[in-house]
Amino acid sequence: GAVVSQHPSRVICKSGTSVKIECRSLDFQATTMFWYRQFPKQSLMLMATSNEGSKATYEQGVEKDKFLINHASLTLSTLTVTSAHPEDSSFYICSARRGAARGNTEAFFGQGTRLTVV
Amino acid sequence: EDKVVQSPLSLVVHEGDTVTLNCSYEVTNFRSLLWYKQEKKAPTFLFMLTSSGIEKKSGRLSSILDKKELSSILNITATQTGDSAIYLCAVSGLQGAQKLVFGQGTRLTINP
Repeated sequence: GAVVSQHPSRVICKSGTSVKIECRSLDFQATTMFWYRQFPKQSLMLMATSNEGSKATYEQGVEKDKFLINHASLTLSTLTVTSAHPEDSSFYICSARRGAARGNTEAFFGQGTRLTVV
Repeated sequence: EDKVVQSPLSLVVHEGDTVTLNCSYEVTNFRSLLWYKQEKKAPTFLFMLTSSGIEKKSGRLSSILDKKELSSILNITATQTGDSAIYLCAVSGLQGAQKLVFGQGTRLTINP
């Protein structure tokens, strides 16, 4: 089956530094990937849609200059949390859907990255 | 704006019980509804529903979509402690056919 790999699974960084999270589709090409954020005991909140070869589409309230997304190839999207602060500590998950943009294929998720900013 | 609402938000039952989880949605130009199970890390896929009235079944889990009522249910029979998890419902609509909008999730706890 399709697999989405996310790295790192856990990262601790100092306040003010930047952290890069990678999301790869291992056995299919993903022109679109999605980045979610999940707070403890809450559901997944879509942050942005990553589009291969073009700018990401950010959801309302998500700072695009803080959460930089790059989708340079059909199998890799990266999320960089810039100038991280403790309130950015969260669980970040990426996903990708295989197939045409008809919305009728399952979405595969990466393993998630737990970011802790100290 | 697309919206997904799940109920109950939390449910505690005894092993062996049957549970029904609900998901209702408001979405422009509905495409599909998906159920996921989330334990400690990323969600794992359970079902995808696109047609109304057709039950999908996998072992003790089953799900059905009602497009008229804009809702879906997820049933788990003969529950086991390993079924304890957060169950997430998500829908695809017109705004980006691949984008999924998630409900709040139902936290299910199965006590031995």
